[in-house]
Amino acid sequence: AQSVTQPDIHITVSEGASLELRCNYSYGATPYLFWYVQSPGQGLQLLLKYFSGDTLVQGIKGFEAEFKRSQSSFNLRKPSVHWSDAAEYFCAVVPDSSASKIIFGSGTRLSIRP
Amino acid sequence: EADIYQTPRYLVIGTGKKITLECSQTMGHDKMYWYQQDPGMELHLIHYSYGVNSTEKGDLSSESTVSRIRTEHFPLTLESARPSHTSQYLCASSSRGGSYNEQFFGPGTRLTVL
Repeated sequence: AQSVTQPDIHITVSEGASLELRCNYSYGATPYLFWYVQSPGQGLQLLLKYFSGDTLVQGIKGFEAEFKRSQSSFNLRKPSVHWSDAAEYFCAVVPDSSASKIIFGSGTRLSIRP
Repeated sequence: EADIYQTPRYLVIGTGKKITLECSQTMGHDKMYWYQQDPGMELHLIHYSYGVNSTEKGDLSSESTVSRIRTEHFPLTLESARPSHTSQYLCASSSRGGSYNEQFFGPGTRLTVL
């Protein structure tokens, strides 16, 4: 079945450490890919998106993500996390240009250790 | 900057009451969406609209209904609230375009039905 998978439900990293959040998808064509962040009690904010071109995309708040077609992955990275990065992170996919809806992963909750 | 608003932000109500969750956007977006999200869980699309007088049911069955009489307004109504409706409801919008455009999210309405 077509899906978006975030294998890590909850990750804890120390402040200042590097971060990588995993996202895999199972759509045949090259999809449109997104990462959203949701702070407690808030809506979702777009961090970055990939449509085509350079497979390494830069986003807001110092985040970046790399599209790897061979691995069907779009992992989110940040070289040094801050306490304010604690939130829920959602990977999302629009399967192709004709798709009408965006499919969200189940989310990864990020906690920051002081 | 995205301008999409939801009211109320928090609502506690008794079983059997009729409620309407408001969502408005000032970006002139054609597409609007309602998602339901339980705490710490993924988003589920319950309704969407491609424009005025257009409404469709999403992937998750919902007892709620929606209307789209004006471009900027996409209210969600529960005729008779039940405890199983307790959840967070997120509204989003996106523009119509040749390539897929990101969805902008409102802050959400956290609904508790006693």
